[in-house]
Amino acid sequence: GQNIDQPTEMTATEGAIVQINCTYQTSGFNGLFWYQQHAGEAPTFLSYNVLDGLEEKGRFSSFLSRSKGYSYLLLKELQMKDSASYLCAVRAGDYKLSFGAGTTVTVRA
Amino acid sequence: GAGVSQTPSNKVTEKGKYVELRCDPISGHTALYWYRQSLGQGPEFLIYFQGTGAADDSGLPNDRFFAVRPEGSVSTLKIQRTERGDSAVYLCASDFVGDIQYFGAGTRLSVL
Repeated sequence: GQNIDQPTEMTATEGAIVQINCTYQTSGFNGLFWYQQHAGEAPTFLSYNVLDGLEEKGRFSSFLSRSKGYSYLLLKELQMKDSASYLCAVRAGDYKLSFGAGTTVTVRA
Repeated sequence: GAGVSQTPSNKVTEKGKYVELRCDPISGHTALYWYRQSLGQGPEFLIYFQGTGAADDSGLPNDRFFAVRPEGSVSTLKIQRTERGDSAVYLCASDFVGDIQYFGAGTRLSVL
């Protein structure tokens, strides 16, 4: 099975930067995904890393180190609408995603 | 359709009843997944379809749970003799295998 850990909660100020860490233990690693989930809504895809390094998409960036079993999601220029749960998920093999419990980010004015 | 559609959005039932949850994936996606999400937790894998067949049902908690995808598109998750512990949000996702999974908004099941 997979063991995926991420912080439960984080709070930050509008306009600031927040980094959400995710550590994992898995066999057959085939990609790490970050999803955003607002309360009562579908998880929405944010980013995907399969090779080591940084992937940047606008205000969101994600980093992966396979040797360390570590990823982070960086949210820049925080906006109130970024208040949500952020889910780290690992794919082992071709298809199955295993999720962490999610990190609830609260953005304050 | 434009996205993954799940119906109903909410389902309230009594303990011991039978329920069916429906998922309509993104058109053309060959793979379909069911996950279950409890409050404060991430989604947990239940079952994966490739085409019409269940390629991996290792996440189904017991034999009260069953899912079908008879024509390789719409899928139905069936739960017999519901228990209070079955209360959760049931999420469906679809993709081209090995690609990004796109999720529906889920069915919130409440077993009283």
